[in-house]
Amino acid sequence: AQKVTQAQTEISVVEKEDVTLDCVYETRDTTYYLFWYKQPPSGELVFLIRRNSFDEQNEISGRYSWNFQKSTSSFNFTITASQVVDSAVYFCALSGFSGSARQLTFGSGTQLTVLP
Amino acid sequence: GAGVSQTPSNKVTEKGKYVELRCDPISGHTALYWYRQSLGQGPEFLIYFQGTGAADDSGLPNDRFFAVRPEGSVSTLKIQRTERGDSAVYLCASSSTGPLYNEQFFGPGTRLTVL
Repeated sequence: AQKVTQAQTEISVVEKEDVTLDCVYETRDTTYYLFWYKQPPSGELVFLIRRNSFDEQNEISGRYSWNFQKSTSSFNFTITASQVVDSAVYFCALSGFSGSARQLTFGSGTQLTVLP
Repeated sequence: GAGVSQTPSNKVTEKGKYVELRCDPISGHTALYWYRQSLGQGPEFLIYFQGTGAADDSGLPNDRFFAVRPEGSVSTLKIQRTERGDSAVYLCASSSTGPLYNEQFFGPGTRLTVL
């Protein structure tokens, strides 16, 4: 069975602070995908990033960066110089690798509030 | 181009009634997924279609829930004898299929309220 844990239910920061959202996962699969999605107040899920399990290189995209550590089963997400528009619920998710196993298992989400 | 659409956007029903929720995937996408998101939780997988057939329905909570995709495009999620605990946002996602990963594109969801 697959499981994703986001221990931080809510985080509040002041604009321009850096913030890291934690994600820990469990899976018996040797190959898998990890994801982060953003859900703004409008409700629609917005895809942010996908990593496969055999690529542990960290990734940076603008103010966003992701730290994947297979040894600790973690896939953490950092927003640098946060902005008010970053306020949303962020979900970490996991899926199998083969075509028949790509349904997503989501964590319970972290509500990020960025204050002006 | 058009994304995934879901109708209705909101549905209010009474306990015990039957409801149908519709999903129009992105044209040409062969894979279709239904998820359910309860308040304060992440989406939970319900069922996955590959073409017309349900490839994995292990997430359906009980036999009151059923989904079809008769022509391999539009899908309908059907809930019989609704209960208050069925209240949630029902999300649909679609993707193309292939050996490499194909991103799931999510629709806006249908908010179901069972009174």
